[in-house]
Amino acid sequence: KQEVTQIPAALSVPEGENLVLNCSFTDSAIYNLQWFRQDPGKGLTSLLLIQSSQREQTSGRLNASLDKSSGRSTLYIAASQPGDSATYLCAVASNQAGTALIFGKGTTLSVSS
Amino acid sequence: GAVVSQHPSRVICKSGTSVKIECRSLDFQATTMFWYRQFPKKSLMLMATSNEGSKATYEQGVEKDKFLINHASLTLSTLTVTSAHPEDSSFYICSASSRAGETQYFGPGTRLLVL
Repeated sequence: KQEVTQIPAALSVPEGENLVLNCSFTDSAIYNLQWFRQDPGKGLTSLLLIQSSQREQTSGRLNASLDKSSGRSTLYIAASQPGDSATYLCAVASNQAGTALIFGKGTTLSVSS
Repeated sequence: GAVVSQHPSRVICKSGTSVKIECRSLDFQATTMFWYRQFPKKSLMLMATSNEGSKATYEQGVEKDKFLINHASLTLSTLTVTSAHPEDSSFYICSASSRAGETQYFGPGTRLLVL
């Protein structure tokens, strides 16, 4: 059974710092991996999607990497801003296309000005 | 990007009543919709997968007679919580995809509080 773990559970940094969020999964047979952002009491916003054949994806100040063989992904946020404060969720889709996502518990990020 | 809406965004009901939550894909046809539940400080847990025109597939531990799912059209899926109890209070989120394996787009969620 696929399990997704995110470390750390919470992170506080001053504005301007670069930071890395970690995600690990137990079954390397994944279809894709996504990083989401969730603001308190809100739904999910998709940030980056990495297909199993890809190693990384970039969008603006965000860069996500995927090492399928080791079951790890990282989300790198450059030059953090207070507006980046949110919970970041990592989710994997199994090897069966179209199946639902297995989520980690998230990392709650707080960026202070 | 594709937009998924949910209605209502928040609902408070008395124990024993039934609540219906709608999930709509506004600008694309969703062959598959997923329903998730998120308890406070917990991650999202899949409840069921619904494909248009067929019965939903429920995850282990989710009562299909309590959580009724209907996906009658390519743009609408509904989740009905029957005879709701306080322990059903949670944040319910749906997602939709246009084709198998495609990106899932999430709705804004519905917060249910059962008194």
